[in-house]
Amino acid sequence: EAGVAQSPRYKIIEKRQSVAFWCNPISGHATLYWYQQILGQGPKLLIQFQNNGVVDDSQLPKDRFSAERLKGVDSTLKIQPAKLEDSAVYLCASSLVTGSYNEQFFGPGTRLTVL
Amino acid sequence: GQQVMQIPQYQHVQEGEDFTTYCNSSTTLSNIQWYKQRPGGHPVFLIQLVKSGEVKKQKRLTFQFGEAKKNSSLHITATQTTDVGTYFCAGPESSASKIIFGSGTRLSIRP
Repeated sequence: EAGVAQSPRYKIIEKRQSVAFWCNPISGHATLYWYQQILGQGPKLLIQFQNNGVVDDSQLPKDRFSAERLKGVDSTLKIQPAKLEDSAVYLCASSLVTGSYNEQFFGPGTRLTVL
Repeated sequence: GQQVMQIPQYQHVQEGEDFTTYCNSSTTLSNIQWYKQRPGGHPVFLIQLVKSGEVKKQKRLTFQFGEAKKNSSLHITATQTTDVGTYFCAGPESSASKIIFGSGTRLSIRP
């Protein structure tokens, strides 16, 4: 079974630039998550999709971050404009269905450095 | 808001010694999950505990869920170099499906 795919794996940009990350979840997984993991901390949920609808985006800085999952499969996360504090690993995860009892499968992440 | 805290933040042990990490929630949890993240890697699901007082074992790893369902622990017996990594607990926020991750305990091992 193929895992969660993410690209790019690394990205270096200057502050105020824009960046986009892509995620393809495990086939058949209805729920997709985007997490931000700052060095030395646990993953922080940014947004959670159930199919193509948003379940939770309470911690997404909506003035600069946006995400979409138009066809209920793959997803993109965009930052525009980036700030220095956005430097982190952005993890995408998927689970079969929504609910706290479901195991999440994580992708390899995208390491973003904002200079 | 709800918090999930882990202690210790770091633990450095001699290979063969035991290791324990503790997870505490500010609210009662319906369930708790544990993940392991190797250096440079991504979190990988280890186990889920649901019942009050539940104890589960995976080879040298023992997971426990507190009676009040507000705390949990992971104990590794006789650590090996393959155990190196950061261990996270994660629990649901109140009645929502959103999972909150603890800050993690980073385990390093002297061969």
